[in-house]
Amino acid sequence: DTEVTQTPKHLVMGMTNKKSLKCEQHMGHRAMYWYKQKAKKPPELMFVYSYEKLSINESVPSRFSPECPNSSLLNLHLHALQPEDSALYLCASRTTWGTGELFFGEGSRLTVL
Amino acid sequence: DQQVKQNSPSLSVQEGRISILNCDYTNSMFDYFLWYKKYPAEGPTFLISISSIKDKNEDGRFTVFLNKSAKHLSLHIVPSQPGDSAVYFCAAIPYGGATNKLIFGTGTLLAVQP
Repeated sequence: DTEVTQTPKHLVMGMTNKKSLKCEQHMGHRAMYWYKQKAKKPPELMFVYSYEKLSINESVPSRFSPECPNSSLLNLHLHALQPEDSALYLCASRTTWGTGELFFGEGSRLTVL
Repeated sequence: DQQVKQNSPSLSVQEGRISILNCDYTNSMFDYFLWYKKYPAEGPTFLISISSIKDKNEDGRFTVFLNKSAKHLSLHIVPSQPGDSAVYFCAAIPYGGATNKLIFGTGTLLAVQP
């Protein structure tokens, strides 16, 4: 199994809603990432978890709240988002050794109305 | 401050010919370099990587060359196929721990014409 699975694939939410994005991998990777990608731009790092602990927060607004409940799951809780937060949210994972290849999920397309 | 740059936003190549995608970097402290391919509305897919101690890595139709003195790497695709049409990102990982962030270039849109 070399997959990173993200749900939902598409999400539309209002600015007052609370929703969550989910990510799952069963490759035994102990580093997991959230990236945000806007159209025609490279992916931008948001958060990194290492061994289920938050190790990098790229100064992301608190309306985005990550959670890593176990070594296979990564969540991104969303609350009071702005329309400019509409983007493709990508989850990725990698081993904590070796060439550093990141395995990406297909992403969750978020639209904030 | 863009540490990894892809100066060509787009490239068009005939099917069967060679595609050469270029990437420049400014930081000498990168440990690994990677190339990713991305279709619209999908996550990036890993293609090939190269360690900073090597100057060439080959995998099937894909070859990556690293010129450390010029701080330049390139991806060669031979022969190019229409299915290769996608956005290609180069990326770099600084020396250090496993959770070091992958730094992406700005991407090059490759169009392979049948």
